[in-house]
Amino acid sequence: GDSVTQMEGPVTLSEEAFLTINCTYTATGYPSLFWYVQYPGEGLQLLLKATKADDKGSNKGFEATYRKETTSFHLEKGSVQVSDSAVYFCAFTGFQKLVFGTGTRLLVSP
Amino acid sequence: GAGVSQSPSNKVTEKGKDVELRCDPISGHTALYWYRQSLGQGLEFLIYFQGNSAPDKSGLPSDRFSAERTGGSVSTLTIQRTQQEDSAVYLCASSSSGTDNYGYTFGSGTRLTVV
Repeated sequence: GDSVTQMEGPVTLSEEAFLTINCTYTATGYPSLFWYVQYPGEGLQLLLKATKADDKGSNKGFEATYRKETTSFHLEKGSVQVSDSAVYFCAFTGFQKLVFGTGTRLLVSP
Repeated sequence: GAGVSQSPSNKVTEKGKDVELRCDPISGHTALYWYRQSLGQGLEFLIYFQGNSAPDKSGLPSDRFSAERTGGSVSTLTIQRTQQEDSAVYLCASSSSGTDNYGYTFGSGTRLTVV
């Protein structure tokens, strides 16, 4: 069935380090792919998206590329900040709803 | 409204009591979704509304859970005879009809604690 697999957290980095959070999906057809972010005490916010193969979504210095051949949508950022500490969710369009991964907590220390 | 509004933001209830959670979606959004986020878990889909009808309620965990939507707008999620395992954050989201490709807008959630 439809599912998303994200790397387990927490991911602990120092400020200005490079970030990668892996995400792979199992889906039928050609879904749209998303990354959502949940900052402490807040609701989920759409971070970026890609709607077709080889598209690159980007926002706030984060990037992710839709890789159809590997069914992946890894999240990257070249230099993280303390303010990036949050939980990141990978998701895709399943049948009539978004299917989410379990989330990856990112902790960035000064 | 400008965003998705959920109320209450926090609810503590005794085991066995009924609770109602409210969601007010973005004006004009015809699709509305309920998800549940338990501690250490991902987002669990509960139910989807298109207008006032629910084409997919496959995620409701038991018959103690029900939801309705009226006027194509406000939705209420009701949990009867609450159990401790119902403790979670209940999230509501809305989107324009047929535009899942743009993602959803989420509310801030209702944190339910059953004691």
